[in-house]
Amino acid sequence: QLQLQESGPRLVKPSETLSLTCTVSGASISSGDYYWDWIRQSPGRGLEWIGSINYRGMTYYNPSLKSRVSISVDTSKSQFSLKLTSMTAAETAVYYCAREDGSSGKRFFHPWGQGTLVTVSS
Amino acid sequence: QSVLTQPPSVSAAPGQKVTISCSGGSSNIGNYDVSWYQQVPGTAPKLLIYGDDKRPSGIPDRFSGSKSGTSATLGITGLQTGDEANYYCVTWETNLNTWVFGGGTELTVL
Repeated sequence: QLQLQESGPRLVKPSETLSLTCTVSGASISSGDYYWDWIRQSPGRGLEWIGSINYRGMTYYNPSLKSRVSISVDTSKSQFSLKLTSMTAAETAVYYCAREDGSSGKRFFHPWGQGTLVTVSS
Repeated sequence: QSVLTQPPSVSAAPGQKVTISCSGGSSNIGNYDVSWYQQVPGTAPKLLIYGDDKRPSGIPDRFSGSKSGTSATLGITGLQTGDEANYYCVTWETNLNTWVFGGGTELTVL
C-alpha cells in the first residue's frame, strides 16, 4: 500500500527557507505516469497547489510561487523535497505531499501524506 | 476568492441525499476533469471521485460525480453521520497554469 510521509522543521523564521521532505513507501517513486506534488492548506488561503515533480526531475510550479520554490527528487531514497524561500507568517499552513496519478488518463491526487503543520514565526 | 465556487455549507438528515455544487468556467471545469475530496477535520483530504464521475476502489457507490458545462456536482445518498466532513472540488486552470481548489463545503448530517 502506497504511503507518503512528510518530514522537516515545524518552525521557520520569517524570511528564512522552508525545507520539507516526503518519503514514499509501498511503491516505486520511479514508476508510471505519476507526478509527486506539494499542496498546502491554511484557513486564510484554503488549499493551494505548490508544485510537482516526476522521477525524471521534470517540474511544474504554481506561477504565484515560482520565483521562490524548488522541488527535487532523490529516487535512490524514494524521496522528493520542497524548498520555499523568503517565508512569511501568512504562509503558516499544513503542508501535504501527494501523488498526482495520471495512469488512467485522468489526473488526480491520491494518496496524500498526513500533512505537517509549519509555523512561520520569530 | 477561489476560481471554483462551492456553497460554504450543506446539511441533511441521516439517510437522505445531498448534492454539492462546484461552479467554474471554460478555462477550468469546462475543459478539464474534476476530482472531489473528503476531508475530516484534522486529517488529510481523501479522494472520492476522479475524472468527473469515476469512483476509486473502496469508495461506496453512495458517492457520485457529474459534470455539465462549467459546473460539477458531488452527490451523496444514504447519508451517515460519518459523512460529516469538508468536501473540495479540484481541477486544472489553464489561464493560471495551476491546479485550483474550491473553497470547500462543510457537510452536516443532522
